[in-house]
Amino acid sequence: QQKVQQSPESLIVPEGGMASLNCTSSDRNVDYFWWYRQHSGKSPKMLMSIFSNGEKEEGRFTVHLNKASLHTSLHIRDSQPSDSALYLCAATYQGGRALIFGTGTTVSVSP
Amino acid sequence: EAAVTQSPRNKVAVTGGKVTLSCNQTNNHNNMYWYRQDTGHGLRLIHYSYGAGSTEKGDIPDGYKASRPSQENFSLILELATPSQTSVYFCASGVDWGANYAEQFFGPGTRLTVL
Repeated sequence: QQKVQQSPESLIVPEGGMASLNCTSSDRNVDYFWWYRQHSGKSPKMLMSIFSNGEKEEGRFTVHLNKASLHTSLHIRDSQPSDSALYLCAATYQGGRALIFGTGTTVSVSP
Repeated sequence: EAAVTQSPRNKVAVTGGKVTLSCNQTNNHNNMYWYRQDTGHGLRLIHYSYGAGSTEKGDIPDGYKASRPSQENFSLILELATPSQTSVYFCASGVDWGANYAEQFFGPGTRLTVL
């Protein structure tokens, strides 16, 4: 049973557009959420993390967290071709010491 | 520069053979991890370690063993490789932020094909 669910599986966004990705934990004992980005043929790299309810912005990237609904979302504004990648959501759980990853959302930015 | 390196980067093995994947980190992180990545499954945790001499089972440990002989090195061992273990394997290192996790730093990956 996958603890971290992501949607959609894939997304095509026009250059300059907004991409919105979702992630939900099926286990209420979630502590923190993380977003990783993985370009094709490369290793994952952390993009953003969020620990508290609310919003966090870093450049063109914004992350929202609603702990009550166990849901986080990542929004990319003014999408660029370099944003084309697999976006992985991960969570840590109470009593655990490892990241649990979702299956990812593939974002393709079309010029 | 702190880094996580993996060897080999590509490996072709035969069914029933023994395969050892190696990982080295210069981050001086206590925690190290082995994941496999398959299309449609994301990253799945195989084994992890809190420090030299320790290994813990992750979500999919069957068919894999791990060894952490030192702070820097963490190996993944497939004693009897099977075609279902064909995958891309990532090693990562990380450090606790108090009681919870900081970000993990991933190596470049090893592409393993078992024929």
